[in-house]
Amino acid sequence: EGQLVESGGGPVKPGGSLRLSCAASDFIFSIYPMNWVRQAPGRGLEWVSSISSSGDNMHHADSVRGRFTISRDNAKQSLYLEMSSLRVEDTAVYYCVRGHGDKTWFDPWGQGTLVTVSS
Amino acid sequence: DIQMTQSPSSLSASVGDRVTITCRASQSISTYLHWYQQKAGKAPEILIYAASFLQPGVPSRFSGSGSGTVFTLTISSLQPGDVATYFCQQSYSTPYTFGQGTKLEIK
Repeated sequence: EGQLVESGGGPVKPGGSLRLSCAASDFIFSIYPMNWVRQAPGRGLEWVSSISSSGDNMHHADSVRGRFTISRDNAKQSLYLEMSSLRVEDTAVYYCVRGHGDKTWFDPWGQGTLVTVSS
Repeated sequence: DIQMTQSPSSLSASVGDRVTITCRASQSISTYLHWYQQKAGKAPEILIYAASFLQPGVPSRFSGSGSGTVFTLTISSLQPGDVATYFCQQSYSTPYTFGQGTKLEIK
């Protein structure tokens, strides 16, 4: 089935930086694409970034491109999201999510880590 | 970007009712459409993938259909445990996009 556990969230001031981590277990991490999806308080879901299984290909939403960078370490079974130039509107729960199947549905999801950008 | 529009945005129904939620894509996405259930305070979970395939472990009262631009999620007999917000998502192309969600309550 697989398990994903995020860490690294917390309060940060506008313009600041943060690095999120996601530890994967109970599945072969290196063969799956991975994603970050966020959810602002009381709002819907927004896809943030994707990375291929090898780490060679990354995609980012327009709202974070140039500020966020997704990466992975297959040897450590870990996914990362480097966030810089943070804005108040980046406040959200950030979910680490595995891409699954030839049509890339999201399963499973981590429990999420809250990032709060506020002065 | 592909826009996903769900309807209704909220829904109140009685236990045992048949419930249908619709998701429309702004362009054809074949069957690159998935449904998620999010209960209060929890992470979303996959219900239906590739438009019509039931995720193992999900009750058979849930079903999905559609292709191209119009998709539906149906609950054949609503149960109290189905209270949640439901989201559709397209994976046809990045940016992967979600519908705005349908909040389902028991009447």
